[in-house]
Amino acid sequence: AQKVTQAQTEISVVEKEDVTLDCVYETRDTTYYLFWYKQPPSGELVFLIRRNSFDEQNEISGRYSWNFQKSTSSFNFTITASQVVDSAVYFCALSADNYGQNFVFGPGTRLSVLP
Amino acid sequence: DSGVTQTPKHLITATGQRVTLRCSPRSGDLSVYWYQQSLDQGLQFLIQYYNGEERAKGNILERFSAQQFPDLHSELNLSSLELGDSALYFCASSVERPGANVLTFGAGSRLTVL
Repeated sequence: AQKVTQAQTEISVVEKEDVTLDCVYETRDTTYYLFWYKQPPSGELVFLIRRNSFDEQNEISGRYSWNFQKSTSSFNFTITASQVVDSAVYFCALSADNYGQNFVFGPGTRLSVLP
Repeated sequence: DSGVTQTPKHLITATGQRVTLRCSPRSGDLSVYWYQQSLDQGLQFLIQYYNGEERAKGNILERFSAQQFPDLHSELNLSSLELGDSALYFCASSVERPGANVLTFGAGSRLTVL
């Protein structure tokens, strides 16, 4: 069975602080995909990144960076110099199927960035 | 705009009623997924269709049903509504090519059952 855990329910930071959102996953599959989605207050779910299980390189996109470590089954997300617009619920997700089935979401972490 | 269109955006109805939520996938996407997001349950997978056929089923109640039509749009039917069915219902679509399984979500349909 697949499972995604996001232990941090809510995080509050002050603008310009760095913040890391944790994601731990469980799967018996050797091929799988990990995702992060953002849900701002407006409600829509926005895709941020996909990473496959064979690619452990960290990725940086502007103020966002992702750290994938198979040894600890973690796929953590760091926002550098946070901004108020980063306030949202962030979901980590796992799909162990190449075709998108069995797409499992974590419970989400609500990030509040205070001015 | 994600390219996935959901209607209606908001819907208020009474217990015992039936509603239909509609989803048009992104152009070129053959798969449609339905998710329910309630405050205490997070994002729950309901059902997936691929090119008109049911592909996978999640925690979908028997009172709920869905289908995907030849033009690839999908409808989620919710009947005998209960207060607990109040939630945000998301539709997502994907291309379903190997390695291309990113789900693109619509803006959601917020259902309130009074």
